[in-house]
Amino acid sequence: RKEVEQDPGPFNVPEGATVAFNCTYSNSASQSFFWYRQDCRKEPKLLMSVYSSGNEDGRFTAQLNRASQYISLLIRDSKLSDSATYLCVVRAASTLTFGKGTMLLVSP
Amino acid sequence: EAGVVQSPRYKIIEKKQPVAFWCNPISGHNTLYWYLQNLGQGPELLIRYENEEAVDDSQLPKDRFSAERLKGVDSTLKIQPAELGDSAVYLCASSGLAGLNTGELFFGEGSRLTVL
Repeated sequence: RKEVEQDPGPFNVPEGATVAFNCTYSNSASQSFFWYRQDCRKEPKLLMSVYSSGNEDGRFTAQLNRASQYISLLIRDSKLSDSATYLCVVRAASTLTFGKGTMLLVSP
Repeated sequence: EAGVVQSPRYKIIEKKQPVAFWCNPISGHNTLYWYLQNLGQGPELLIRYENEEAVDDSQLPKDRFSAERLKGVDSTLKIQPAELGDSAVYLCASSGLAGLNTGELFFGEGSRLTVL
């Protein structure tokens, strides 16, 4: 089983839709969780951290379920500019492990 | 403020040739990372430096890959000899002291290697 697993997609949604991605992790000792965004042929950039109680940043909501070892990212009112690959990142001790990413394509 | 700078952006070589990539991190960032990213995959750590010390090189294929960060600032990643399977994007990232806690790594644009 891979350390961090994501559905690669692509998720094709129309503008204005709500879309959610899940990510599962295998290391129960994982301490911190993050979502990164990577545009096509660009470098990854931190989108948001994921806190135990869940957190929101504008149209983006991240949630953590430690018992089931998964995190989620919800995007409301999708914009064309949200089209990108969303990478789930998990920290255990001093190691950051990236998932393969989930591709999102938002169409007009 | 300048971001992480990498060069070259693109490199095409024949197999068995050597290649080197250079990275200049954000000023003041003591942690530097080299990642490898294949198409459709997430970045995979090759090596992590704290200042000039390589603190995690467990995933670096040491038979052909080497890296250095002599003065604790910029870094070089070398492959010798290159194999077809080394074709990928080599990403350099840096972070400050709280980088692992905040999860914020700052990536360069990457060096895209094609081995023919």
